[in-house]
This record gives sequence, C-alpha cells and structure tokens, in this order.
Amino acid sequence: DTGVSQDPRHKITKRGQNVTFRCDPISEHNRLYWYRQTLGQGPEFLTYFQNEAQLEKSRLLSDRFSAERPKGSFSTLEIQRTEQGDSAMYLCASRETSGNSYEQYFGPGTRLTVT
Amino acid sequence: AQKITQTQPGMFVQEKEAVTLDCTYDTSDPSYGLFWYKQPSSGEMIFLIYQGSYDQQNATEGRYSLNFQKARKSANLVISASQLGDSAMYFCAMSLILTGGGNKLTFGTGTQLKVEL
Repeated sequence: DTGVSQDPRHKITKRGQNVTFRCDPISEHNRLYWYRQTLGQGPEFLTYFQNEAQLEKSRLLSDRFSAERPKGSFSTLEIQRTEQGDSAMYLCASRETSGNSYEQYFGPGTRLTVT
Repeated sequence: AQKITQTQPGMFVQEKEAVTLDCTYDTSDPSYGLFWYKQPSSGEMIFLIYQGSYDQQNATEGRYSLNFQKARKSANLVISASQLGDSAMYFCAMSLILTGGGNKLTFGTGTQLKVEL
C-alpha cells in the first residue's frame, strides 16, 4: 500500500495560465476527495468522486475549476485562467466505503503559487 | 451545516507531559464522525483517531485518546507522554455518516502544538 500520491508537489504559474494537478489514490479506494487549504486555515472541501462519478461540488469550485476521474482510479483537477486568489495547497484524499471505517487518507498536497 | 471550533491557536507542552487540544462541534444530525489529523510542516495530513457519535467508549490509539462528551459537543484530543516529533498543527474535523454528502470532512482552524525539552 503506497498511500495517496499527488503530482506536482509545487507549482508556480502566472496569472491567467491553466494548471492541472494529478492525484493517485490508494488502490481500491473507491471514493476520492479534493480539498483546498489556504494559509492558517483548515482544509475546505471542493469535490468528491464515487468511482468515476463526481457526486458533489462545493460552491468554492467556480466555473474555472474542473475535476475528473475518468476510470475511477486517478483524478485530475484543472484550474483555468488562474487568479492570485487560487494560491493555496490542494489536497487529495481517498477512502474505502466498505466496512465501518470513515477515515480519509491524504496525499502530500500540491502547493500552487499564482504570481 | 456543520461547524468545528478550535479555540487554541497555539499550545506549548514539555516533553513527556500530557496535553489536551480542545475541539467543539455543532451539528443537528444525530449520526456523525469526529476525527483528528496531524499536519507537520511538510504539509501532509496524517489521520490520528476517529470517534463515531454512537460509540459508547472513547476512542484510543496508542498515545492518542479522544475525550468525547456528547452532551457538551466536545471532542478533545489527549496526547500522553509528548515527544518532540509531536510538534505540528492539529486539526479536528467531522463528517456526517448517514446523510448524503459523501462523508466529506469539515475542519476547524487548527491548533499549533510545540513540544519543548
């Protein structure tokens, strides 16, 4: 079990550019979550997938954000026309839904800086 | 809507002492889970302990225990025998269990713990 991985770990981009992040969950975890964490705050929910289906999106996820999980395994989060306010840590988490465990396991995050 | 409140922005504890990190929560849903995560300076969120709202006993995991007081809506984390490696940010979180919403987590603002020699 290799844990949740995210790529890249750091991304610096200029305002107006598009960026894409990738998350590889723990294998066989059918639920995948994206969170955003700004400095000095706890993570905030963005969206989640059950297998390949995106079941909920937060109001934080503006039209410039899109997430996919095409084969129910890895997921991508794309931000179009980045703004300085998008600078944050983007965290991915996964969990299994069988049994009675509800804990989510997080990846190391992608730190985005928009200049 | 659910809310988590952590009123201690920072805490200091001496090595080998016990420390309690406070967490209160608010929800009208009867079925929920409470979690504590540790976030070192590297940034990764590390799961520590879970307590379900219907669990009769307080959860324990090694040096971590969760002091669950349902009537007071509190879920304090107790770390016994603190170690230097415990220095980190600690987040309390909750999720609804049976209601829709995918068990997404709602986090507090965190408590920065510093363990001193």
